[in-house]
Amino acid sequence: SQKIEQNSEALNIQEGKTATLTCNYTNYSPAYLQWYRQDPGRGPVFLLLIRENEKEKRKERLKVTFDTTLKQSLFHITASQPADSATYLCALVQAGTALIFGKGTTLSVSS
Amino acid sequence: NAGVTQTPKFQVLKTGQSMTLQCAQDMNHEYMSWYRQDPGMGLRLIHYSVGAGITDQGEVPNGYNVSRSTTEDFPLRLLSAAPSQTSVYFCASSYNLNGGGKDTQYFGPGTRLTVL
Repeated sequence: SQKIEQNSEALNIQEGKTATLTCNYTNYSPAYLQWYRQDPGRGPVFLLLIRENEKEKRKERLKVTFDTTLKQSLFHITASQPADSATYLCALVQAGTALIFGKGTTLSVSS
Repeated sequence: NAGVTQTPKFQVLKTGQSMTLQCAQDMNHEYMSWYRQDPGMGLRLIHYSVGAGITDQGEVPNGYNVSRSTTEDFPLRLLSAAPSQTSVYFCASSYNLNGGGKDTQYFGPGTRLTVL
C-alpha cells in the first residue's frame, strides 16, 4: 500500500541549531513533493515545493532535498528560532487527483 | 481576496443530527477538497472535486456527502452524526493538481466539530 511517513512525531532543538525533518514514502512515484507548516488551531500553510528533477530547493532559512532513489525528502530549518515551533507536514500528489499528507512532525525550538 | 472561508468555526451536535459544513473560495480554483484531522492521524482526505459537477471519494468518505454546483462552493454534509465524526475539518482549494506549482493547497481556518 502507499504510505507517507514522517519519522519523528516530535523534535526538540535549541535556538540557533539546524532542524532536520524527514519524509519517507513507499509505493509512490511522485513528480514532486510539498511541505506545509501548521500552527495550533489553524490550517496548514504552504512552504515549499520540490520537483523530482530538483535535488535541492531553498527559501530563506528553509532547505528541502528530494532523493527519488531513497524515496525521501529532508526539510531543514537553519538558525532556528522559537517562532519556527510548529507542526510540519509533507505531502504528495496521488495520481493527479488528491494531495495526501504525512502525519507531521511537531518541532519545538527552545531559547 | 478572502481566500478559503469555512463556517461555522465551532459546532456541537447530538448523535443522529445532520448538518452542513460550508466552504467557499474566491480564487477561481478548480480543485477543492475536505480533510479531517484527528490527533495522531494527521490529515485524512474525505472527498474532493476537480471542478463544478465532479466529485470523488477520498480515504475516509463514509458518513459524508458532498456536491459541487458552483466553482466557489463545496459544502460537506453529515447525514447522521456519530461520535466518531468528532474532529477538526479543513477545506482546501488549488488551481489544479497537475504540478507546475498550481497545486499549492490553500486551507481554510477549520471547523471544530463535537458530536455527543
